[in-house]
Amino acid sequence: QKEVEQDPGPLSVPEGAIVSLNCTYSNSAFQYFMWYRQYSRKGPELLMYTYSSGNKEDGRFTAQVDKSSKYISLFIRDSQPSDSATYLCAMNDYKLSFGAGTTVTVRA
Amino acid sequence: DTGVSQNPRHKITKRGQNVTFRCDPISEHNRLYWYRQTLGQGPEFLTYFQNEAQLEKSRLLSDRFSAERPKGSFSTLEIQRTEQGDSAMYLCASSPPGTGPTEAFFGQGTRLTVV
Repeated sequence: QKEVEQDPGPLSVPEGAIVSLNCTYSNSAFQYFMWYRQYSRKGPELLMYTYSSGNKEDGRFTAQVDKSSKYISLFIRDSQPSDSATYLCAMNDYKLSFGAGTTVTVRA
Repeated sequence: DTGVSQNPRHKITKRGQNVTFRCDPISEHNRLYWYRQTLGQGPEFLTYFQNEAQLEKSRLLSDRFSAERPKGSFSTLEIQRTEQGDSAMYLCASSPPGTGPTEAFFGQGTRLTVV
């Protein structure tokens, strides 16, 4: 079993919809939880990170962490075609452990 | 450009050949990471350096792989006797002192194809 599980999708939504992404993990030692966005043939780009449990909001993006359930989520409000990308969750001890990534397409 | 720079961007090699990739981290970043990403998967950790010291190596890093960061600046990743299974995107990331991987910035990657 992988340390981090993420539904690979793909996920297709109409413009303006809410995109909901999630990951589960098994390592209780993880304390920082990240979301990366990766466009085709590019390196991952950090969107936001959260320490421990709770919510964090940054513009149209909201990250949630529930350490008791070992479950994290990313919500994208008012999605735009430019949000079409692969979204990777990641968690860290001394290194980053990534999920497989969810490919999202926002249809105009 | 002040981001993480990786060269070459693409490399096609024949099975059995040796290849070397270079990563130039962001200036003043003391930590440098190498990851490998195959199609449809997230990046997998290979190794990381703090300054010139290689502090951790993944079991994925077989004895055909070697990484160096001789002066604590740029790093190289060499693969000897390449195999088709080595075909992947090799990503480098760096992070500033005191932040660890939470604030790691990734380069654009080197895409390796072994034929």
